[in-house]
Amino acid sequence: DADVTQTPRNRITKTGKRIMLECSQTKGHDRMYWYRQDPGLGLRLIYYSFDVKDINKGEISDGYSVSRQAQAKFSLSLESAIPNQTALYFCATSVRGPNYGYTFGSGTRLTVV
Amino acid sequence: AQTVTQSQPEMSVQEAETVTLSCTYDTSESDYYLFWYKQPPSRQMILVIRQEAYKQQNATENRFSVNFQKAAKSFSLKISDSQLGDAAMYFCATSYGKLTFGQGTILTVHP
Repeated sequence: DADVTQTPRNRITKTGKRIMLECSQTKGHDRMYWYRQDPGLGLRLIYYSFDVKDINKGEISDGYSVSRQAQAKFSLSLESAIPNQTALYFCATSVRGPNYGYTFGSGTRLTVV
Repeated sequence: AQTVTQSQPEMSVQEAETVTLSCTYDTSESDYYLFWYKQPPSRQMILVIRQEAYKQQNATENRFSVNFQKAAKSFSLKISDSQLGDAAMYFCATSYGKLTFGQGTILTVHP
């Protein structure tokens, strides 16, 4: 099994729908992150959590919310999806400080039509 | 705030040749780390190499090496003896608490 599991792998949804992307990890890492990847923009941070009771906004948090249900689970929600939220979304984990890099999930390709 | 710039949207190389991918960054921190990630068509993010900013010696991992110029805030990746499996998107990133990524460079390897 993968260390960081994202579900679903691909999803098509309609404008205005609420959608949740889920992430679970078996690494035992405290820190978890949500990024989105867009062509020409690289990966940009949406939200991050350094432990279960710690949630922080990243550089592009508008239109998104998160929930850290447990150390191992970190979900990203789009309350009312819009077409410009079409992107590849990554969940990642790290030990205290990403000095050894992150462990990434395999990504969720989200299309909003 | 940290910023990372990859000025080469696309690069190509012949198999067995050497290619260098460029990256510049800006940070006000003194203790940080730099990374190169590879993203093949499978879209998995794979750590290629990391560099600790306080170490002057350039990191090397097999065919991959970096040229770290701290004063110039430059962190380029050199791939030697390029292989078809090296074809991918490459991201440069810097960290101080959180990873900040560049825009990516698509590398094509020609047989």
